[in-house]
Amino acid sequence: GAVVSQHPSRVICKSGTSVKIECRSLDFQATTMFWYRQFPKQSLMLMATSNEGSKATYEQGVEKDKFLINHASLTLSTLTVTSAHPEDSSFYICSARPEGYGYTFGSGTRLTVV
Amino acid sequence: RKEVEQDPGPFNVPEGATVAFNCTYSNSASQSFFWYRQDCRKEPKLLMSVYSSGNEDGRFTAQLNRASQYISLLIRDSKLSDSATYLCVFLSGGYQKVTFGTGTKLQVIP
Repeated sequence: GAVVSQHPSRVICKSGTSVKIECRSLDFQATTMFWYRQFPKQSLMLMATSNEGSKATYEQGVEKDKFLINHASLTLSTLTVTSAHPEDSSFYICSARPEGYGYTFGSGTRLTVV
Repeated sequence: RKEVEQDPGPFNVPEGATVAFNCTYSNSASQSFFWYRQDCRKEPKLLMSVYSSGNEDGRFTAQLNRASQYISLLIRDSKLSDSATYLCVFLSGGYQKVTFGTGTKLQVIP
């Protein structure tokens, strides 16, 4: 089946530092990947759509300079949280939609900024 | 009106019970519908797709009512392992716009 691999699964960083999260499609090519954020007891909120070889599309209210997205190949998209602050602490998750499948999610990254 | 409305629960049901959730949507252009299951602190996983003709997978039955703009999920003979949050998901805009419900929490009690 289609698998999306995401890591790290958990990261704790100091306020002001940057954190990179990787999302890989293991057995399919993903021209588009999606990045979500989920705060406790809330639903997943789409942050941005990552497009291979072009700029990401950000949802309203998401700072593109803070959440840098790079989709340099058909199997890898990265999200970098720059100058992280405690309010950025959340569960970040990526997904892709392989041909013939529903959306497949990565295992998520729990970010804690201290 | 919210794009998606889903009762957050929790639904506390005894083992063996039948439980049903609904999820209403406001965008009539929604094209595809899914139910996902999310365990605590884990990623959502696809449970099943939803079709107008109904979709059954073992103890789970999903249904789409386009006229009334809602989807439903029925779970028969509930198991303890069914305890999770169930998310409804809608695709629209050429399958590029994904909308999630807030999830319905199910707790199956021994």
